[in-house]
Amino acid sequence: GQQVMQIPQYQHVQEGEDFTTYCNSSTTLSNIQWYKQRPGGHPVFLIQLVKSGEVKKQKRLTFQFGEAKKNSSLHITATQTTDVGTYFCAGGAGGGSEKLVFGKGTKLTVNP
Amino acid sequence: DADVTQTPRNRITKTGKRIMLECSQTKGHDRMYWYRQDPGLGLRLIYYSFDVKDINKGEISDGYSVSRQAQAKFSLSLESAIPNQTALYFCATSRSGGYTDTQYFGPGTRLTVL
Repeated sequence: GQQVMQIPQYQHVQEGEDFTTYCNSSTTLSNIQWYKQRPGGHPVFLIQLVKSGEVKKQKRLTFQFGEAKKNSSLHITATQTTDVGTYFCAGGAGGGSEKLVFGKGTKLTVNP
Repeated sequence: DADVTQTPRNRITKTGKRIMLECSQTKGHDRMYWYRQDPGLGLRLIYYSFDVKDINKGEISDGYSVSRQAQAKFSLSLESAIPNQTALYFCATSRSGGYTDTQYFGPGTRLTVL
């Protein structure tokens, strides 16, 4: 079945450093979504990418969807302590299958 | 008020007990999901329902059952709880749509099976 691999599993940075997490699917995706889970919280939707090669920005966060629609990345510029949490990518298979397959997540910690 | 609520928020039970986790939503969404979260394993889909008469197994349905009592309510049952079902359980909802739509998660239920 469809698998979504996410790396790294953990990332520790100094405040002000950049951070990137990568997501790769074994199959072509109809769309990819990114979620953030704060410590002790629940996953919260950040963004959805649908088009091949799509790039979207939210302030310091940049999201990319690969040309082949099998990979994606989330880049945070100049991390802040408020960025702490676990970031999940989730791929939609499309073709009538409306489930999301989540990556295992990247846990980001930020040293002030 | 929260759009997706889960009860209980925390539960400690013993091996062999029957447990029900409940989820309610006021978002008017047709689709509801149950996920399990374990450290390092991300979110794994247990069951999902696209409407009241539709129930589907996810990737880890063994040992679990569900009931969709109404559009707004989706319950997860553990018929005979075992310790490796200790985990954080999330309910989620989404609209119907052409693409996989955004999922809205409840606050989670932390279940411990002794």
